[in-house]
Amino acid sequence: GAVVSQHPSRVICKSGTSVKIECRSLDFQATTMFWYRQFPKQSLMLMATSNEGSKATYEQGVEKDKFLINHASLTLSTLTVTSAHPEDSSFYICSAVSGTGSTDTQYFGPGTRLTVL
Amino acid sequence: AQSVTQLGSHVSVSEGALVLLRCNYSSSVPPYLFWYVQYPNQGLQLLLKYTSAATLVKGINGFEAEFKKSETSFHLTKPSAHMSDAAEYFCAVTSLTDSNYQLIWGAGTKLIIKP
Repeated sequence: GAVVSQHPSRVICKSGTSVKIECRSLDFQATTMFWYRQFPKQSLMLMATSNEGSKATYEQGVEKDKFLINHASLTLSTLTVTSAHPEDSSFYICSAVSGTGSTDTQYFGPGTRLTVL
Repeated sequence: AQSVTQLGSHVSVSEGALVLLRCNYSSSVPPYLFWYVQYPNQGLQLLLKYTSAATLVKGINGFEAEFKKSETSFHLTKPSAHMSDAAEYFCAVTSLTDSNYQLIWGAGTKLIIKP
């Protein structure tokens, strides 16, 4: 159980285009989903926290107008990178939690490799 | 505020040898601690977590970790390394922010297994 999927796994796009990444909890309802960005050989950087039905909470330094997050249902959250540029190239990972307690485990998706040309 | 320090960005051990990955935390409240593993070009997988039920926590793939409050540590160990253990390992502690529990991450330790 507790499987999280991401789609697509890899995407290559031209500079200026927008890219949407989907994160789905396949066998549980996710009250909270997290979006991370990971640079090569570095730890995860939390971008935003999204709760179903409400606006996402962005971390300091993350542009909310550039990284649009929608958590429309308890099993789906989307991250849209708008007007992507080469510096947005990165590994994007989502995670989902079924509860709201401090001991709840975050289950991670396999990640999406974004390359902006 | 919570923080996590992982000593050693790279740890190299021989196959069959003991694996020890170090994690120290700082927390103003009783911590909940996690170890995750990341294989190349993949997402993260939970190895184990400490939630105050028992100080010695057993996880998947033969890994275990011991919570030591006096040392503020949560080191990850495995008695005998296998080639398939080669991966990046992350220690994390929960932090309450704006009514959401977030994970505060260590920088990660890359485990290298020598044949």
